[in-house]
Amino acid sequence: TQLLEQSPQFLSIQEGENLTVYCNSSSVFSSLQWYRQEPGEGPVLLVTVVTGGEVKKLKRLTFQFGDARKDSSLHITAAQPGDTGLYLCAGAGAGSYQLTFGKGTKLSVIP
Amino acid sequence: DAGVTQSPTHLIKTRGQQVTLRCSPKSGHDTVSWYQQALGQGPQFIFQYYEEEERQRGNFPDRFSGHQFPNYSSELNVNALLLGDSALYLCASSRKGQGNTYGYTFGSGTRLTVV
Repeated sequence: TQLLEQSPQFLSIQEGENLTVYCNSSSVFSSLQWYRQEPGEGPVLLVTVVTGGEVKKLKRLTFQFGDARKDSSLHITAAQPGDTGLYLCAGAGAGSYQLTFGKGTKLSVIP
Repeated sequence: DAGVTQSPTHLIKTRGQQVTLRCSPKSGHDTVSWYQQALGQGPQFIFQYYEEEERQRGNFPDRFSGHQFPNYSSELNVNALLLGDSALYLCASSRKGQGNTYGYTFGSGTRLTVV
């Protein structure tokens, strides 16, 4: 069974601060996806990383896939209140059609 | 361009009853996956449908069943409802089974409460 551990579980920061969210597993994934979910809504895809060591930037968000494709991180620079939400990482195993999700990191950015 | 549409948005059922949830995938998508998200948890994979066949199933009992229609829309049926089935049920669509490479589009979900 593939498991994804996300940390921290909760994060409350002031506007303008930087933060990093981690997603770790003992399993190798063929791809790692990050989603953001607002209360009462479905997850919205932020990025997919498929190559070990890959780094992708989306405005103030930087995503990295570990060299061994077992872990990933999300770094947010100068957080804004609009970044508030639940951040979920999800891994896809080779030959599998399912995504395995972590429990999420609930981020609150205080103005 | 309409995204993934799910109905109903909210539902209250009594223990032991049966429920049917519906999903219309994003235009151009032909693959539908269903996930269950309990409060405070990440989504858990129920099954995926492609070409009207269940292609893969997660660790859910046979009380959970599904169907995909020729227009790619899908239904999730849950029989003999338990209190523990209370959750947000999410439908996700992708194109040609490429969701694990390029990502999925999720609907807003159906909030099921079993009393």
